[in-house]
Parts: sequence; C-alpha cells; structure tokens
Amino acid sequence: NAGVTQTPKFQVLKTGQSMTLQCAQDMNHEYMSWYRQDPGMGLRLIHYSVGAGITDQGEVPNGYNVSRSTTEDFPLRLLSAAPSQTSVYFCASSYAPGTGNEKLFFGSGTQLSVL
Amino acid sequence: GQNIDQPTEMTATEGAIVQINCTYQTSGFNGLFWYQQHAGEAPTFLSYNVLDGLEEKGLFSSFLSRSKGYSYLLLKELQMKDSASYLCAVMDSNYQLIWGAGTKLIIKP
Repeated sequence: NAGVTQTPKFQVLKTGQSMTLQCAQDMNHEYMSWYRQDPGMGLRLIHYSVGAGITDQGEVPNGYNVSRSTTEDFPLRLLSAAPSQTSVYFCASSYAPGTGNEKLFFGSGTQLSVL
Repeated sequence: GQNIDQPTEMTATEGAIVQINCTYQTSGFNGLFWYQQHAGEAPTFLSYNVLDGLEEKGLFSSFLSRSKGYSYLLLKELQMKDSASYLCAVMDSNYQLIWGAGTKLIIKP
C-alpha cells in the first residue's frame, strides 16, 4: 500500500529556475494539500484541492501553482525559485473535510534549497 | 487572529510520563489533532479529539476542553523512540487546519 508518494526527496535550484514537485496518492482521497515547514514555525498551507478540477489558495500561495487533473495527482510548481522558498515541503491527503475522517496522510517530504 | 500555542521543547526521562499542552484560539472548532514527527521524517497521525474528555490509546492519551481552548497529549512509559516533535493542529469552522509550531520532546536515559 503506497499511500502518498512524493518526489523528489532532495532538490537544489538556482534562483530563477522552475521545477515541479510530484505528489500522488492511491487512497482515493478527495482532499490533497501542499505544506511548507520552516524551523520554529508551524506547517503552512500553500495550496489545497477538494477534488479533481478544484484548487484553492492557502496561507502562503505566492510563487507556487498547482493543478488537480485527476483524483490521484497534485503537483506543485515553483515558477521562478527564490531563496525564500528554501524549505521542506510536504504533500498530504485525506478524505473530504466535514466527513469526520480528516486525518492527514503525509508524503515523505522534499528538502528544497534555492541558491 | 487564529493561534495555537505549545511549548517549544520539553525534556523527560526514559520510563517517565510527560504531558504536552496545547492552547488554541481559532475561528470555530471542528476537531483537534496531534501528530508525531521524527526528525527528518513526515508527520504521522496520533489522535483526534472533537468532544470534551480523555481519549486513551495504550501508552498515550489526548484530552480536550473546548470551553478552555485547551488540549494535552500524555505519553506514558517513555521510550527513546518517543523522542520526536509533537504537533498540535485545530480544524477551524472552515475545516482549515491551524498548526502549532510543535513541541520537541527529548528523552534522556
């Protein structure tokens, strides 16, 4: 049972480069999300989706794009990387909010450094 | 604004009991979660409280008081593998999760 698969595990970018972090889940979860985690701070929501074709902004969406063409996949795109985007990124999924079964399953994380 | 407070770091001894507190102020309440996160790894789900009271699951328990905006996670018979960060998160009225910064628990032999 794969759960949430997130790639890559590590990435180094130069300022201005673009890249896509991949996320896929095989649990038929409606809800998918991307977080960033920085030292001393709580997880911060970047973007989320409640189903295929539906995405919305979280707390810190600037500089990131997402799409949800299928239930399984939710890639995160960095358009033009900046040093402020150096962070650990987590993809997470769950059943739909309001179902009483909202516990999140997390991918293994991506350590991103922007030089 | 919405806020979750939990201690930054706690130290406990192997075999002992530790209580990690979490206080919150949010726009509405649809449940409180505790997650465990080992260094360099992803968070994993520990517990969910939506009603007041104590939920016991073996070596750990989670308590909630909605009127006081307060929860705690109680870990018993601590083992070295319990060294981790413990994250408190509250789901607000819009079903958005508000996260605390986490409590780093250090277990000493």
